[in-house]
Amino acid sequence: DAKTTQPPSMDCAEGRAANLPCNHSTISGNEYVYWYRQIHSQGPQYIIHGLKNNETNEMASLIITEDRKSSTLILPHATLRDTAVYYCIVRSQGYNFNKFYFGSGTKLNVKP
Amino acid sequence: GAVVSQHPSRVICKSGTSVKIECRSLDFQATTMFWYRQFPKQSLMLMATSNEGSKATYEQGVEKDKFLINHASLTLSTLTVTSAHPEDSSFYICSARDWGGNIQYFGAGTRLSVL
Repeated sequence: DAKTTQPPSMDCAEGRAANLPCNHSTISGNEYVYWYRQIHSQGPQYIIHGLKNNETNEMASLIITEDRKSSTLILPHATLRDTAVYYCIVRSQGYNFNKFYFGSGTKLNVKP
Repeated sequence: GAVVSQHPSRVICKSGTSVKIECRSLDFQATTMFWYRQFPKQSLMLMATSNEGSKATYEQGVEKDKFLINHASLTLSTLTVTSAHPEDSSFYICSARDWGGNIQYFGAGTRLSVL
């Protein structure tokens, strides 16, 4: 399974864009990148996923580099409610298809 | 998005008793559900994959006799922690795969405290 590396924590000012990086240098050609977040003591919430093209939805944008070895999740206008742990996950293939193995994530602190 | 309901949200039990946690997909059918556990200040750890109508598959190091999983219908999977001990105290979270199989939706979690 492709492993992901994320910074342990980041700060962001309220109203500013939050850019959360993820390194997945061993990703295989048909593995997707997923982003989830977990607000304290709750279950993870799906944010966005992509294969190779950039993706955007009502919550965020996902930018995947051309070589697919890294990606960035962008929250365009962070609010205090966006304070959470953000997980970047590469979906497994083959026998482990659809299993998610969570890394340690990035704790995003949105400050007023 | 799809909704996954988990019950109970919190349970306190005595050592040696068994505890059952339910995971339901409310507005979609889920042939596959997943169970995770999370210790304080740690990430989620996948415990097992629950398959409707067949046996669950467990991750390496997870005791199948300790954590019994039943997926009897397309909308319900249960996790039973048998003979619970204080070291089983944790946050247990389930998820269900959506129709297309591309997204996992998570329940709100169950906090188990074993005294």
